[in-house]
Amino acid sequence: DGGITQSPKYLFRKEGQNVTLSCEQNLNHDAMYWYRQDPGQGLRLIYYSQIVNDFQKGDIAEGYSVSREKKESFPLTVTSAQKNPTAFYLCASSPGQGKEKLFFGSGTQLSVL
Amino acid sequence: GESVGLHLPTLSVQEGDNSIINCAYSNSASDYFIWYKQESGKGPQFIIDIRSNMDKRQGQRVTVLLNKTVKHLSLQIAATQPGDSAVYFCAENSGGSNYKLTFGKGTLLTVNP
Repeated sequence: DGGITQSPKYLFRKEGQNVTLSCEQNLNHDAMYWYRQDPGQGLRLIYYSQIVNDFQKGDIAEGYSVSREKKESFPLTVTSAQKNPTAFYLCASSPGQGKEKLFFGSGTQLSVL
Repeated sequence: GESVGLHLPTLSVQEGDNSIINCAYSNSASDYFIWYKQESGKGPQFIIDIRSNMDKRQGQRVTVLLNKTVKHLSLQIAATQPGDSAVYFCAENSGGSNYKLTFGKGTLLTVNP
């Protein structure tokens, strides 16, 4: 079954803790993305990666970090520097040419304890 | 239209009616536009896209219209069904990078049986 898998579906973070959200795709896509969604809001771009071993900051990268060591995987770490981490996090991928449709995962809801 | 704060624009229609969802985009240099549907707690699903060299594109039961003069995009859904109830987002590639999509805040469509 081809697609994008995000895990976990729900995640809780304690103050001062770093947490990592997983995103895996088997679509053989070059580009991957992380978006944040707050209630009643649109999606805002955190980081994106056009190709393995390369990534760029999006519009709201502060307090987040990513890695892209494998084509299939693009994990997002929400660090303790992110003071308002509660949100719905969405991972996406695209073939890699740019200006193309994104395929989204089912999201991870992160909440602060 | 787009929302202010947490209050999404809403559109309520009767089953079988046609729906029109509007979106004003911000950047006259944008040349790629896309519509997504998002059901509660899920990731966005691609509906249809359009490039700036076109002003109309049709899919199955959906039509996207692009008016570059007034920077306006619309999504028309024919014979709306209860399963169409969701939040609909428009997004534009607004330049700077081929990989950065800027999303609107969404419109909530409710279909009454």
